[in-house]
Amino acid sequence: QKEVEQNSGPLSVPEGAIASLNCTYSDRGSQSFFWYRQYSGKSPELIMSIYSNGDKEDGRFTAQLNKASQYVSLLIRDSQPSDSATYLCAVRNYGGATNKLIFGTGTLLAVQP
Amino acid sequence: NAGVTQTPKFQVLKTGQSMTLQCAQDMNHNSMYWYRQDPGMGLRLIYYSASEGTTDKGEVPNGYNVSRLNKREFSLRLESAAPSQTSVYFCASSESRQGWVDTQYFGPGTRLTVL
Repeated sequence: QKEVEQNSGPLSVPEGAIASLNCTYSDRGSQSFFWYRQYSGKSPELIMSIYSNGDKEDGRFTAQLNKASQYVSLLIRDSQPSDSATYLCAVRNYGGATNKLIFGTGTLLAVQP
Repeated sequence: NAGVTQTPKFQVLKTGQSMTLQCAQDMNHNSMYWYRQDPGMGLRLIYYSASEGTTDKGEVPNGYNVSRLNKREFSLRLESAAPSQTSVYFCASSESRQGWVDTQYFGPGTRLTVL
């Protein structure tokens, strides 16, 4: 079992719809969770981080965390074609004093105009 | 403030050749990381440096060496390149202050092809 799992997609949504991206993780001790966006040929950029159970909103983005179910999601409201990218879920893996992240393979989102 | 920079942007090597990928950050971050990204495999950690003067292996260290030259610079060396090392390489850095939740910032990447 992979430590961080995502559906590779592509997830296709029409413009203006809500895109829902999901991620599960295996290490029950994980405490910090991150969503990165990566455009084709570019480097990952951080969108959201979440550490506590529940929802965290930032503009059109909402991250949701359920530690009991080991599940984290990202909702994108009013999806735009410019949101089309690969979304990477990352989990902070505590190993001594380090801040290593374990990444999922990413979900490709395609927003159709 | 350039953030994280990497050189070169593109490189083609022949099997057995060596090269060093350079990474520098100007954010005064303590920790630095090298990842490789392959289709369907996601980002995998090669080596990291939690602080100046320390380096540790990540998930896929075989065939690579690293040097944390100073707080700003972290280089990745391929001593004898193999086709399996064809990939996109990303350097990242994070502040890693005690008690703070960390964010990693990525460089633009190096696209390496080994023939």
